[in-house]
Amino acid sequence: DIQMTQSPSSLSASVGDRVTITCRASQTIGSYLNWYQQKPGKAPKLLIYAAFSLQSGVPSRFSGSGSGTDFTLTISSLQPEDFATYYCQQSYSTPQTFGQGTKVEIK
Amino acid sequence: QITLKESGPTLVKPTQTLTLTCTFSGFSLRTSGVGVGWIRQPPGKALEWLALIYWNDDKRYSPSLKSRLTITKDTSKNQVVFTMTNMDPVDTATYYCAHMGHMGAAGIDYWGQGTLVTVSS
Repeated sequence: DIQMTQSPSSLSASVGDRVTITCRASQTIGSYLNWYQQKPGKAPKLLIYAAFSLQSGVPSRFSGSGSGTDFTLTISSLQPEDFATYYCQQSYSTPQTFGQGTKVEIK
Repeated sequence: QITLKESGPTLVKPTQTLTLTCTFSGFSLRTSGVGVGWIRQPPGKALEWLALIYWNDDKRYSPSLKSRLTITKDTSKNQVVFTMTNMDPVDTATYYCAHMGHMGAAGIDYWGQGTLVTVSS
């Protein structure tokens, strides 16, 4: 299995802050990297697919970058509705493993 | 509009077999590149990918759970059935079914609401 490691596990930030979450794959996965947002009691929501493609309807303050083994999710200006847990997932090969999650909390 | 919904028992006893059904609409599992997968999430923990079935009946399983899992599709009913044998309390989780296109390369774009399954005697 390809292991996905996110950092940090949690962070505290204020509205308007720029937030960066990183995800590292245990082997190269090209650009087969997706990002999800999950709020308590809800199913995950796809934000970014194929490393940097913004899913339809997702605000442009979300962006993704990276390739190979190292990837980044950036929220350019954190909004109140962005406080949630974020997961990366590789879709290079099955099992399509997820990272352990990054919880973004209010500072 | 794509929707998916999981159905099945909310409580199973240890050693029993769990059977969940995903009923979907808005797409066809006859369409090239389409897949339906199952993902679970224990309370307070991370997402875990379990299984996936593609339009061409190609089936993929998590290696660590493969001996316990089966996934099948009924294209005429727009359903995917997931079974997990020999359930244990550590299998207590919310189980999601989900849609992916493009062989999954574009991520999991639609999710069911999830169903919480508790394993307890």
